[in-house]
This record gives sequence, C-alpha cells and structure tokens, in this order.
Amino acid sequence: GENVEQHPSTLSVQEGDSAVIKCTYSDSASNYFPWYKQELGKGPQLIIDIRSNVGEKKDQRIAVTLNKTAKHFSLHITETQPEDSAVYFCAASLPTSGGYQKVTFGIGTKLQVIP
Amino acid sequence: NAGVTQTPKFRVLKTGQSMTLLCAQDMNHEYMYWYRQDPGMGLRLIHYSVGEGTTAKGEVPDGYNVSRLKKQNFLLGLESAAPSQTSVYFCASSYRLGNTEAFFGQGTRLTVV
Repeated sequence: GENVEQHPSTLSVQEGDSAVIKCTYSDSASNYFPWYKQELGKGPQLIIDIRSNVGEKKDQRIAVTLNKTAKHFSLHITETQPEDSAVYFCAASLPTSGGYQKVTFGIGTKLQVIP
Repeated sequence: NAGVTQTPKFRVLKTGQSMTLLCAQDMNHEYMYWYRQDPGMGLRLIHYSVGEGTTAKGEVPDGYNVSRLKKQNFLLGLESAAPSQTSVYFCASSYRLGNTEAFFGQGTRLTVV
C-alpha cells in the first residue's frame, strides 16, 4: 500500500518568511496530491492540490511542486502571516483495483508563524 | 450552505457503552467518509460510502459500524466502546471518489474511560 512521509513535524518561521513542507510517497501510481490546512478545533480544509500530470501549481502565496521521478511533493508558503499558523497535511491518492481511489495522509506539520 | 455537520462535538463514554455519531452534508455528494485522527498518525479511514445504501471498510474498520440510509447522512456506530477508540472523528464528503476535494466536518472529540 501507499506510505506517505511528511517533514518536518513542527515548523516555526518569522512573519514574512517562507515555509516549506515536504512529503514523499511510495507508490508511483498515486495520481492526486491534495494539501489540507487544519486550524485549531476545526476540520481539515483543502488549500491546494496537484495532479500527476502537472509539475507545479500556484495560488497566490501558496504553491505546490511535484517530482514524480523522486516521488516527492512540497508545499511552499511565501510571505507567511500569523493566520497561516495551523497544522498542514499532505496526502497521496492511489487508484485501486476495486475502483476506489485510496487517500493516504501524512502525519501533519504544525506551522507556527511568529509575529 | 452548512457543508458537513457532525453531531455531537464532544462525548465521554464509559468502556462498553455504545453511541452513534451523525454526519450530515447538504452538497448532494455521493461519497462520504469517516476518519479518525490520532496524534502522530494523521487521518485514517474507518469506513466510506459510495452512495445511498452502500458502505465499505477503510483501513481501520474494527469496532465500528456505519449506515447510509439517506444520501445526505452517514452514521458511525460504536457498539462497545474501548479506550483505544478515544480519538477525534471526522466525517467528510466529496463529489468524486478520492481524487477531488473532500469537505470535512468540524470533528467529534470522543473520550472512552
């Protein structure tokens, strides 16, 4: 099955600096890679996603890169703000023989943006 | 538009008690999921449903049962709660099965003593 590793588990940055969170996956057949942000006391919310036929995607201050050869993908947040403080989860989605697309989540990264 | 709503938000159970967690979505999604979230383990899929009247096992289904009698509702049951089931439970729904955005509820924090 798929195995997703996420690093670092905690990350502290100064406001205005950039933050990078990295994930690796094990199964080269995975074809969809979402990133979720979870604020305290709330459920995860999708912030950006990328499919396997794309190498990079950007949405304002957030970007995701995918290296299929190395089987890793990363989340980049530029010009960080205090409201970016949250737990971020990466995930990899793998098609199965049963028709179900199995989603495996990383363990999460707690990002703290220091004002 | 409420999205995904979970009931209750908090619950404390004694070992051996039973309970049902309710999830309701108003986005007309076919697919619904129950996850549990534990420290250092991310989100793990308990059960899922591909439509009204259907359910299937995820990666950690033991000790749980589910039902999807109506398209908008997905119920998670614990027949005999154990301390190992202490966790935060999230319900989610999506338009497609596993390769599009999943919308999550706010979570249910369950403690089994």
